Amino acid sequence: GEDVEQSLFLSVREGDSSVINCTYTDSSSTYLYWYKQEPGAGLQLLTYIFSNMDMKQDQRLTVLLNKKDKHLSLRIADTQTGDSAIYFCAEKCTNAGKSTFGDGTTLTVKP
Amino acid sequence: NAGVTQTPKFQVLKTGQSMTLQCAQDMNHNSMYWYRQDPGMGLRLIYYSASEGTTDKGEVPNGYNVSRLNKREFSLRLESAAPSQTSVYFCASSEGGWAEQFFGPGTRLTVL
Repeated sequence: GEDVEQSLFLSVREGDSSVINCTYTDSSSTYLYWYKQEPGAGLQLLTYIFSNMDMKQDQRLTVLLNKKDKHLSLRIADTQTGDSAIYFCAEKCTNAGKSTFGDGTTLTVKP
Repeated sequence: NAGVTQTPKFQVLKTGQSMTLQCAQDMNHNSMYWYRQDPGMGLRLIYYSASEGTTDKGEVPNGYNVSRLNKREFSLRLESAAPSQTSVYFCASSEGGWAEQFFGPGTRLTVL
């Protein structure tokens, strides 16, 4: 079955770049997503990438996809304290009626 | 638009009690989902409904039942609550299985 893995914690200094990594197992993934969860709230979609793309940039966010290695990353440039949250990677596979989420990476930004 | 709403926000139950968590969405979405979130275990899918009239088991369905009452509403029932069901429960909806999921604010459930 599908499996999505992420490291649990990342700590960076304000102004640095953050890179959150994710690996997935299902080669039929069609969509890959990054969600953000702030304390006490539900998840919100940050960005997504189609499996036929290598990179997607959206303001401070850059998503890189390496299909061969089944590796997805989210880079946040100029990380701010407001970026402190849990970041979830998720994949949607062909013919699956649902997405599979990773366990989330807790990003802590220190001033 | 309210998006996805969940009630209640907080609940404390005793072991063996039953309750229903309510979820509604006003975005005319076809698909709805129930997840539980536990520390260190990420988000686990309990049940989902790809469209009105259908429901399917997710990763951790034992101890739960669901009802897709209509296109807007998807409820989760605990028939006999157990301490292992202490968790934060999130409802979500999406236009289809491929699309962005919109999450509710969550229900924090404690079973004593």
